[in-house]
Amino acid sequence: DIQMTQSPSTLSASVGDRVTITCRASQSISTWLAWYQQKPGKAPKLLIYKASSLESGVPSRFSGSGSGTEFTLTISSLQPDDFATYYCQQYNSYLFAFGPGTKVDIK
Amino acid sequence: EVQLVESGGGLVQPGGSLRLSCEASGFSFSSYSMNWVRQAPGKGLEWVSHISSSASVIYYADSVEGRFTISRDNAKNSLYLLMNSLRAEDTAVYYCARGEYSNCFDSWGQGTLVTVSS
Repeated sequence: DIQMTQSPSTLSASVGDRVTITCRASQSISTWLAWYQQKPGKAPKLLIYKASSLESGVPSRFSGSGSGTEFTLTISSLQPDDFATYYCQQYNSYLFAFGPGTKVDIK
Repeated sequence: EVQLVESGGGLVQPGGSLRLSCEASGFSFSSYSMNWVRQAPGKGLEWVSHISSSASVIYYADSVEGRFTISRDNAKNSLYLLMNSLRAEDTAVYYCARGEYSNCFDSWGQGTLVTVSS
């Protein structure tokens, strides 16, 4: 089974900061990686698919990169609406594993 | 507008059964794979099960294999999850999610809470 890890688990940042979250897969998943944002009490929202493709309607301050086993989600200038938990997910193999999440909170 | 609405959650005793439903609207349901994803209180996301558009391909997470059954009725635009032999660790909000872009999840319902407790 493919295992996903994320770092850091929590990130404290200020509005306007550049934020980077890392996701690693236990084996190569090519670019079959998605990023989701989740706010408390709400369903997750797809941000990025195929490692670097921006979902329609998602602000361009969000970007994704990587391939193989290492991936990053970058928020170029953190906005108040971006304080949330972020999850990566592999969909290279059918077990569709999620990472444990990275909580971005206010510094 | 794509809409997914889950129902059927509630309180059930350990060893009991529950059937969740997800009603879809705003898109051609029969053209999309569908999934169930759960989230235990205060925890992360866990993929539970996948069903292809025609129901010809079905997958389960190891944690529910043999106890849960996913199905769909394309004529009714509905997805189901039959959960048997429920355990305390199955307590979670259950989301249905549409598969897109080769199986990431582009649309989600609001979730339905399942609580397994005596």
